[in-house]
Amino acid sequence: NAGVMQNPRHLVRRRGQEARLRCSPMKGHSHVYWYRQLPEEGLKFMVYLQKENIIDESGMPKERFSAEFPKEGPSILRIQQVVRGDSAAYFCASSRAVTGGTYNSPLHFGNGTRLTVT
Amino acid sequence: AQKVTQAQTEISVVEKEDVTLDCVYETRDTTYYLFWYKQPPSGELVFLIRRNSFDEQNEISGRYSWNFQKSTSSFNFTITASQVVDSAVYFCALLGGETSGSRLTFGEGTQLTVNP
Repeated sequence: NAGVMQNPRHLVRRRGQEARLRCSPMKGHSHVYWYRQLPEEGLKFMVYLQKENIIDESGMPKERFSAEFPKEGPSILRIQQVVRGDSAAYFCASSRAVTGGTYNSPLHFGNGTRLTVT
Repeated sequence: AQKVTQAQTEISVVEKEDVTLDCVYETRDTTYYLFWYKQPPSGELVFLIRRNSFDEQNEISGRYSWNFQKSTSSFNFTITASQVVDSAVYFCALLGGETSGSRLTFGEGTQLTVNP
């Protein structure tokens, strides 16, 4: 019973390149969440998606960042024209569908992708 | 707005000591969940516990125990007889249902170092 799978584990990009981070949710989970952890800080919410739909992107930077969760395949967090300030650990979490205002599973996190921008 | 405060940035103890990590939260939601996660040096996030706002019963799991007090908006975490392997950053988090959707709000974390 695989957990949330993220890849790559480590990603190095030069300034100006694009970074693509992948997240496969746990089996049976249809909701995905992305969080960012800057060095020496706690995690900050970025975006919440379900398949083919962005539910809440209130934590996403307005420029250069985008996220998708297609009908087939993993969720992708894409960072265009990376800058040094994008260096962080990016975590993905997943959950079953939220029904009736209740939350029927804890948020299981992947092992994260550590992005380093040189 | 949701807020989680972990006032202790770093704690250092000697093995076998008991240690309590504090967590205070703010929310306007009447229904919410509180979490603790452990982040060892390897970097992954390990889920430890989830409590809902209607269940104030304290919980014990091995050497871990949690004290949820709604009156003081606190959800403290105690490790009894600490071990070197407990060294990690511990995060408290809040999930509010009505005003924050499914966004977890994390505290800044407490770095626990257990020395042999």
